[in-house]
Parts: sequence; C-alpha cells; structure tokens
Amino acid sequence: DAKTTQPPSMDCAEGRAANLPCNHSTISGNEYVYWYRQIHSQGPQYIIHGLKNNETNEMASLIITEDRKSSTLILPHATLRDTAVYYCIVRVNFGNEKLTFGTGTRLTIIP
Amino acid sequence: DTAVSQTPKYLVTQMGNDKSIKCEQNLGHDTMYWYKQDSKKFLKIMFSYNNKELIINETVPNRFSPKSPDKAHLNLHINSLELGDSAVYFCASSGSLAGFGEQYFGPGTRLTVT
Repeated sequence: DAKTTQPPSMDCAEGRAANLPCNHSTISGNEYVYWYRQIHSQGPQYIIHGLKNNETNEMASLIITEDRKSSTLILPHATLRDTAVYYCIVRVNFGNEKLTFGTGTRLTIIP
Repeated sequence: DTAVSQTPKYLVTQMGNDKSIKCEQNLGHDTMYWYKQDSKKFLKIMFSYNNKELIINETVPNRFSPKSPDKAHLNLHINSLELGDSAVYFCASSGSLAGFGEQYFGPGTRLTVT
C-alpha cells in the first residue's frame, strides 16, 4: 500500500468548511483513496472513498487531483461532533486487504 | 441495532491470565478483522478472516488465537497475558458488495493487564 502524508493537526471554526489534505504521491493506478475518522475512544468510522473522480456523500466530499498524487476531504459545515482524528488511506478495492492506518490529522472544531 | 458489537467493553486482568474478547456482526459481511490500538494510538491490523478462514496474520504472537465459529463471529483469545498486551482492541467487518476497504468497526475493548 502507498504511503500517505497528512498534517498532524488542524483547527476549523464551527460552521465553516473543513478541508483536510492528504499526499499520496506513490499511489498506484489500482489503488483507491479512503478516508476514515476516529472520534475519541470510538471505533474508526468509514467516511468516503474514491479512485479518480470527485465523490460526495452525506458526510463529506472527496476531491482527488488529476494526477492522483493528493486529495482533500471536505466537511462542508463542520460541527463540534466532527472533532476527531482523520485518516487518509490508500489501498486496492478488492481482496481481503488490510487497512494501514497512519498517524492521521487531529481536527479540532472550535466553537 | 448495533452493526458490529464487542464484549466486554472493558477488561482488567492480571499478567499470566487467559482471556477472550467476543465480536459479532449483523451486517451479513463475510470478512472480519481484529485491530490493536496501542497507548500511542497507532492502529494496526492483527488478523483477518474470510468465511471462517484465516487470511491475514500480521506476525502476532501465538498467544493470540482468533476463532471464527461462523462468519458472523470472530473471537479473540489471549493466553498468558503480558503487560504489553494492554491496548484497545477493535473488531471490524467488510463485505464484497461495498468493497473490502469499507470496513465497519466495533466500539472497542479496552484491555488492561496489571
């Protein structure tokens, strides 16, 4: 699995959009970008994933650059409940492959 | 309805004891996992089972023995517990329809070995 690089921490004002960057310059053509988050002491929660097109669901949007070497997770209207550690993971989308978690970005939503 | 459940939520025990953690999923998934999160918050895969067969074993000491009686359950038995086993253990599951990268995690079991 390709390695990812994320800033260790970020702050965002409540109600604003939170933009979390991730670099994955060695991503392979068949690897997807996955985002998970872990709210304090809870199990990780799947957010969204994509291959090369931008994706949106009820939780977030995922913007992947054209060269696929980086991506941005967007939480459109951050709330206090979005305070968590966010993990960007790249892996293939088939087979029983493991998820390799890095250190993630600790996002703090400020009232 | 809880999708992935674990019992117990907390487990405090002494060194040398044997303990088990149970995991059940009601999502109809055919793959289940055990992850360990240590005190530094690093989250790492331990095992993966697909349809009751071991798929991934990440060089975990053989004191740890997963058991899958059916594809909805994956239990973790730990023999001769050591201080370094203290961690939070998460069970997860995934299914082929959603893609194996979309994993659903349980609430975790905090194991403390004294």
